[in-house]
Amino acid sequence: DVVMTQTPVSLSVSLGGQVSISCRSSQSLVHNNGNTYLSWYLQKPGQSPQLLIYKVSNRFSGISDRFSGSGSGTDFTLKISRVEPDDLGVYYCGQGTQYPYTFGAGTKLELK
Amino acid sequence: VQLVESGGGLVQPGKSLKLSCSASGFTFSSYGMHWIRQAPGKGLDWVAYISSSSGTVYADAVKGRFTISRDNAKNTLYLQLNSLKSEDTAIYYCSTTHFDYWGQGVMVTVSS
Repeated sequence: DVVMTQTPVSLSVSLGGQVSISCRSSQSLVHNNGNTYLSWYLQKPGQSPQLLIYKVSNRFSGISDRFSGSGSGTDFTLKISRVEPDDLGVYYCGQGTQYPYTFGAGTKLELK
Repeated sequence: VQLVESGGGLVQPGKSLKLSCSASGFTFSSYGMHWIRQAPGKGLDWVAYISSSSGTVYADAVKGRFTISRDNAKNTLYLQLNSLKSEDTAIYYCSTTHFDYWGQGVMVTVSS
């Protein structure tokens, strides 16, 4: 199985600040079709996860351009700029390249 | 797009339960669907996938015990949970093919 390792486990940020979350996979996430199926999700307290970024760097419909994804192969990053109160929660990376699909353990974003 | 899960509850170890996910707002029959679960206070754990043509894939932890199915006439996704164990206790979410839409989740508690 592909192991997804997220760092850090938690982050404290001031409103308006910028943060980065790292996600590394134990194997390359490049699919046979050439696509890289690495996504980022945010789970706000008491809610279901919501898709933010798909295929490494594509923002899902309605997602602010304050969120950006980058990376390739096994090393990926989510950056959040100008952090707002509504950004707080747990961020997960997930891979959809190879079954079983797997997720990172999560990064909790909190206010400083 | 709306996904609404139902059928959860408290069940004894070794017993069975059937979850449903009612879908609306998209052409259900054209899309593969997933079940994902989240144990209390833990991260996301992919459970199973069914394609639009009803091909299925399962996580090793549930293979042989859980069955994913769909009824396109009713726009409904199902998850039959048999031989339940305490470690199956979780919130169960249904989600669309690329994890772009998630239901609100349904709680399954396995305990004597």
